[in-house]
Amino acid sequence: DTEVTQTPKHLVMGMTNKKSLKCEQHMGHRAMYWYKQKAKKPPELMFVYSYEKLSINESVPSRFSPECPNSSLLNLHLHALQPEDSALYLCASSHLTTGALSYEQYFGPGTRLTVT
Amino acid sequence: GESVGLHLPTLSVQEGDNSIINCAYSNSASDYFIWYKQESGKGPQFIIDIRSNMDKRQGQRVTVLLNKTVKHLSLQIAATQPGDSAVYFCAENRYNTDKLIFGTGTRLQVFP
Repeated sequence: DTEVTQTPKHLVMGMTNKKSLKCEQHMGHRAMYWYKQKAKKPPELMFVYSYEKLSINESVPSRFSPECPNSSLLNLHLHALQPEDSALYLCASSHLTTGALSYEQYFGPGTRLTVT
Repeated sequence: GESVGLHLPTLSVQEGDNSIINCAYSNSASDYFIWYKQESGKGPQFIIDIRSNMDKRQGQRVTVLLNKTVKHLSLQIAATQPGDSAVYFCAENRYNTDKLIFGTGTRLQVFP
């Protein structure tokens, strides 16, 4: 099973709402990632979790709050978002980099988020 | 080429021809490189990877070439098919990190 699943597929939320994006993988990967992708742009890294601990935060605003409850699940909690936060949010997972060896990241289909 | 504003560089090829998509990466400390294919409405899909101790790697219908001297990566697709139409991203992994940095992307259009 090389699948990363994400829910919901689409989400429309107002600027005062609180919502969560969910991601799941069963490949035994211990690294999980959140990316943001705007139209016609490459994915931009937001967060990296290694062994369920946050290892990289790319200076993401606090209105985005990640959570990794266990090795298979990754959540992104959203609160007080702005219209410019509308984008495709991608989850990915991989084996952890060990010394000089890095591994491919497997991506989910994304959640298309619209903030109104 | 580089993307300007909202416009992705586009490569148009005829079905059956070979395609070459180029990418310049930024960091000489990057030691692992990946090509992804992204179709409309989908997440990036892994195509092929190459480590910095290699200069060429072949897969099924695809070949990746790495030139570390000029920090250049290319993806060659043989006998391009309509199903190859997508946006292609190169990505570089910084040494000893789990941090993947994507290039700007190239749209491949295949016409009959």
